[in-house]
Amino acid sequence: DVKVTQSSRYLVKRTGEKVFLECVQDMDHENMFWYRQDPGLGLRLIYFSYDVKMKEKGDIPEGYSVSREKKERFSLILESASTNQTSMYLCASSSTNTEAFFGQGTRLTVV
Amino acid sequence: RKEVEQDPGPFNVPEGATVAFNCTYSNSASQSFFWYRQDCRKEPKLLMSVYSSGNEDGRFTAQLNRASQYISLLIRDSKLSDSATYLCVVNDPGGYNKLIFGAGTRLAVHP
Repeated sequence: DVKVTQSSRYLVKRTGEKVFLECVQDMDHENMFWYRQDPGLGLRLIYFSYDVKMKEKGDIPEGYSVSREKKERFSLILESASTNQTSMYLCASSSTNTEAFFGQGTRLTVV
Repeated sequence: RKEVEQDPGPFNVPEGATVAFNCTYSNSASQSFFWYRQDCRKEPKLLMSVYSSGNEDGRFTAQLNRASQYISLLIRDSKLSDSATYLCVVNDPGGYNKLIFGAGTRLAVHP
């Protein structure tokens, strides 16, 4: 079974804190993605990576950065958390031209 | 125009009913199509891929109409456990296997 694991299910952080969300996949997938999901807005792509050390901006990259130092790990970084970044964050991985597999999600609250 | 559009619903149907969802996509060069299911507060999971010839998996049938750029999902003999949000997903032909998600259609099956 493909497994995509996110480091936390629930996280509460203060405004201005630097936040790291970690994602690990065990299927040797080339592609990894970070989405956020908000009610009524669906899944929005923040960043994705198609190879180690490679990254591409998605639709809403502002306020975020990413790191992919190893193939299996893709980290999302909130440089200075703000309340409008309170959301559900979903990591996914895929191989080329196949479906994506998701982690269980991290519900982040910024207070 | 959104890249992938779905009717948000909700569709409220009784058990045993047949229900159909449609989804339209904007880029005629897209090649991969999927339906995902998402339960409340859970991650999306692949329900089925959509092939050009149409495909069926038990009570679920998916169809693709390239000329009109729409995808459909038909659920026959609805069960209470089918209640969920159904996400239409299309690949971005620009590369990197980026997937574009619709905002989802909510289905509620009642006794």
